[in-house]
Amino acid sequence: GAGVSQSPRYKVAKRGQDVALRCDPISGHVSLFWYQQALGQGPEFLTYFQNEAQLDKSGLPSDRFFAERPEGSVSTLKIQRTQQEDSAVYLCASSLVGQGDTGELFFGEGSRLTVL
Amino acid sequence: KNEVEQSPQNLTAQEGEFITINCSYSVGISALHWLQQHPGGGIVSLFMLSSGKKKHGRLIATINIQEKHSSLHITASHPRDSAVYICAVTGNQFYFGTGTSLTVIP
Repeated sequence: GAGVSQSPRYKVAKRGQDVALRCDPISGHVSLFWYQQALGQGPEFLTYFQNEAQLDKSGLPSDRFFAERPEGSVSTLKIQRTQQEDSAVYLCASSLVGQGDTGELFFGEGSRLTVL
Repeated sequence: KNEVEQSPQNLTAQEGEFITINCSYSVGISALHWLQQHPGGGIVSLFMLSSGKKKHGRLIATINIQEKHSSLHITASHPRDSAVYICAVTGNQFYFGTGTSLTVIP
């Protein structure tokens, strides 16, 4: 597709369930970022991939969060044993160039997760 | 510690007014981004700049690297400009401000 695609757009999970959120970046984009945005807040960095390599995962809030991008294109953010504080919009962004270069960011629409 | 600070947090303006949103940052950067997020919507990149000034229609973005400061200006504001405007910087990683919520009243 022409833009960054995320799915599902909305996900409701019971506390303790595992969820998987998918990001399909713009074809050929090297960099892929995951962000968490709580209601009324700006996005908070979670993790960064350059192609298939996860170069930075310092923003992942706990070991329940796991992200992968095995072939350097589609990425999945997995949250295990979800908690209510995980409720947020999860945003994916991609950039043509690697981090540190001046690449424009393209964002997906986000996946809104609600944990009951 | 916030690497990126925006002001004001909230802004209400009458249609037609000139609007300025400010962004200050504390890290070394290679680029600064101004982003727009409509309620319930995704984020759209408005500007990416590393020096000087850029203009798109009624929007103008400036950056002063020495002072680590950027401003986003909207001329002749319109209700459709109502959104959250987010400043983000690219350094060793991306850092985001918490956003400025703008409401333009007809």
